[in-house]
Amino acid sequence: AQSVTQLGSHVSVSEGALVLLRCNYSSSVPPYLFWYVQYPNQGLQLLLKYTSAATLVKGINGFEAEFKKSETSFHLTKPSAHMSDAAEYFCAVSDPRFSGGYNKLIFGAGTRLAVHP
Amino acid sequence: EAQVTQNPRYLITVTGKKLTVTCSQNMNHEYMSWYRQDPGLGLRQIYYSMNVEVTDKGDVPEGYKVSRKEKRNFPLILESPSPNQTSLYFCASSHTPGQGIYGYTFGSGTRLTVV
Repeated sequence: AQSVTQLGSHVSVSEGALVLLRCNYSSSVPPYLFWYVQYPNQGLQLLLKYTSAATLVKGINGFEAEFKKSETSFHLTKPSAHMSDAAEYFCAVSDPRFSGGYNKLIFGAGTRLAVHP
Repeated sequence: EAQVTQNPRYLITVTGKKLTVTCSQNMNHEYMSWYRQDPGLGLRQIYYSMNVEVTDKGDVPEGYKVSRKEKRNFPLILESPSPNQTSLYFCASSHTPGQGIYGYTFGSGTRLTVV
């Protein structure tokens, strides 16, 4: 069965510092991988996705993520944090083999990012 | 504007009183799904629908019902709500896999409290 593990339920960084949010997945085949962001009192917004093209994926707001098959990881990074990046971030995986629930996304527990001055 | 609209945004109800949370999308998406979000558990799928009149259970379907009579609407029904259904609910939609992997478009959420 597929699963997603996000290391660290809370991450705190200074404004201007590197953001690194960790995501590891378990899947017997290369999956599709996603990062979503949830701002307070809002729904989830797609940041970026990996669907077996380039392993380094660039998303919105300066975020990027690298798919590393050998490490079964899809960590999210941003070189310089901004106060507006404070939000909850979810990693999600989808298995392209399952026709019945093909579009089903399995989510990690989330990482809340705090950015302080 | 392309969007998924959920109503209501907030709802407080009593145990056993039937309620419906509505979800509507204007993107002609075939696939729709309901998730619940609980602290430390992320989002868990309740039900999904691949198209009109085609629905199936997700990971946590107990206590919920859905219907898909029209492509744009996918209501979530709690026939006899209980306190353990207090949660934040999200409706999401996307195109089918044959049209590519787009990810989901989410609604703004419905915060339900059952007392």
